Amino acid sequence: SQQGEEDPQALSIQEGENATMNCSYKTSINNLQWYRQNSGRGLVHLILIRSNEREKHSGRLRVTLDTSKKSSSLLITASRAADTASYFCATDARAGKSTFGDGTTLTVKP
Amino acid sequence: GAGVSQTPSNKVTEKGKYVELRCDPISGHTALYWYRQSLGQGPEFLIYFQGTGAADDSGLPNDRFFAVRPEGSVSTLKIQRTERGDSAVYLCASSRSLAGDNEQFFGPGTRLTVL
Repeated sequence: SQQGEEDPQALSIQEGENATMNCSYKTSINNLQWYRQNSGRGLVHLILIRSNEREKHSGRLRVTLDTSKKSSSLLITASRAADTASYFCATDARAGKSTFGDGTTLTVKP
Repeated sequence: GAGVSQTPSNKVTEKGKYVELRCDPISGHTALYWYRQSLGQGPEFLIYFQGTGAADDSGLPNDRFFAVRPEGSVSTLKIQRTERGDSAVYLCASSRSLAGDNEQFFGPGTRLTVL
């Protein structure tokens, strides 16, 4: 079974709104990463947050990490139609072995 | 520069056949990873290499699956006696090293269909 679980499984919003996705995991981690995947093919790395960090920003993306609750959130602000994709969190309990959740499918309507 | 490339992009085979899937990592990346992704699910770790050696092959589902990286660059994932349950997208990724904060760059994947 997968380490991480994303919530919600699917999210549909209007362009310009914010989108928040959550990820929960089970074991201690070194870092947590978020990826985007379009059309079921290659993944694109979005952001990495280390276990000793609580928040990180990259452009319109904001990631938080709460190691006490074993959870992370990804916020996409001012969403665009091009943000429509599946988003995955991946945890690294040890170097080299990333464990992915089953993703959140985001649809941004123009 | 070029990203991670995978060939073929699609492979259709019959149950029981042997297939090879190829991955060309980004030049200079010493770490290489294979994942399998079924429809509606996240990628599932199979194996990773540091250089020529398989550092962790604990994700390979059974002994029908094998992967090599003989010169520390290109890798081939080999599946013997394919089964219908092997149908999935096989993703390859590479990173500068195995260090935990190194970003993995993914290829477009090979969609394997076993009839």
